[in-house]
Amino acid sequence: GAVVSQHPSRVICKSGTSVKIECRSLDFQATTMFWYRQFPKQSLMLMATSNEGSKATYEQGVEKDKFLINHASLTLSTLTVTSAHPEDSSFYICSASYGTERRGNTIYFGEGSWLTVV
Amino acid sequence: GQQLNQSPQSMFIQEGEDVSMNCTSSSIFNTWLWYKQDPGEGPVLLIALYKAGELTSNGRLTAQFGITRKDSFLNISASIPSDVGIYFCAGNMSQGNLIFGKGTKLSVKP
Repeated sequence: GAVVSQHPSRVICKSGTSVKIECRSLDFQATTMFWYRQFPKQSLMLMATSNEGSKATYEQGVEKDKFLINHASLTLSTLTVTSAHPEDSSFYICSASYGTERRGNTIYFGEGSWLTVV
Repeated sequence: GQQLNQSPQSMFIQEGEDVSMNCTSSSIFNTWLWYKQDPGEGPVLLIALYKAGELTSNGRLTAQFGITRKDSFLNISASIPSDVGIYFCAGNMSQGNLIFGKGTKLSVKP
């Protein structure tokens, strides 16, 4: 099946610094990737839709200047948390859409990235 | 944002028992997906359903896409301790824009 990989799996950064999380589709091309945030014991919250070659589409309430998304190629999207604060500490997960004409689209998730801001 | 109605919220069962959970929505979906998420990890796809009425199995797991395209269920037969985790249903309206249920937390007593 399709594989989506995230890196790093865990990162600790100081308050005020920026941190970048990568999401790669390893064995397929993904024109669209998605970034989610998940709080403990809750479901996934969509932050933004990452479109290859164009600007990301952000969900209501998500600051686009704080959560920078770049989808530079068909296999890589990055999420940069700028000027991180402790309240940005969370589990961030990406996903990518893999589809065939016969079966339609299926969404595969990365392993997730734990961000701790100290 | 919009969410699916997933039930039950949690289940605490004995090893060997069968499990059933379901999701309903007021909206029609093109695809229903079922995921399992272990603590600290990303969701892993269990079963994908693409057509109304489709019944699909994956080992001890069986899921069905409702005829109305507004609901789906997931059954797990003969549960084992490693089935523990949170199960999410997700509906796909357009390319990749998933709507998630709130999850069903499954606990299994050996």
